[in-house]
Amino acid sequence: AQSVAQPEDQVNVAEGNPLTVKCTYSVSGNPYLFWYVQYPNRGLQFLLKYITGDNLVKGSYGFEAEFNKSQTSFHLKKPSALVSDSALYFCAVRDVGNFNKFYFGSGTKLNVKP
Amino acid sequence: GAGVSQTPSNKVTEKGKYVELRCDPISGHTALYWYRQSLGQGPEFLIYFQGTGAADDSGLPNDRFFAVRPEGSVSTLKIQRTERGDSAVYLCASSAPDKYNEQFFGPGTRLTVL
Repeated sequence: AQSVAQPEDQVNVAEGNPLTVKCTYSVSGNPYLFWYVQYPNRGLQFLLKYITGDNLVKGSYGFEAEFNKSQTSFHLKKPSALVSDSALYFCAVRDVGNFNKFYFGSGTKLNVKP
Repeated sequence: GAGVSQTPSNKVTEKGKYVELRCDPISGHTALYWYRQSLGQGPEFLIYFQGTGAADDSGLPNDRFFAVRPEGSVSTLKIQRTERGDSAVYLCASSAPDKYNEQFFGPGTRLTVL
């Protein structure tokens, strides 16, 4: 079965500092990995995806993610955090055997302080 | 353009009652997904439609849950004999035929069963 884990419930970072939100995956086969962001009272928004190719994937709002096969990780990063980046972030993986199904992590709350 | 909309935004009902939750996907999106998000958790897959048919309903927890999409656009998630454990935010997402890896989520319906 496919799954993702987000080991941190919350990440605190000062504005202007780099941020990392961690995600590890368990997939039998080549993973399709995603990051979504959820702002209060709004739907999840797609940030970026890794399907194949370059291990460093660039996405919306200046975010990027690094795919690391040996560590089975797909950490979300941003060089300089903004207060407006404060939100709930979800990592997800697409089921290898059933492309209709996505498995989401439990989410990480990012707090960026001025 | 208009995003995915869901109605109602909040629904409070009593145990044992029947509820219907509606999703209006983005126009032209053929794929439609329903998820359930419990407090502190990521979205959990319920059902997937491709056009009018339920292509994958393996995530529905039991036969009290049912969903339809009769004309390939609007979808309704129906829950019979609601239980307190059904309380959650129900999310709908849609994706375009050529971008099946990118889902657009609605704001969700918060269901509370008293």
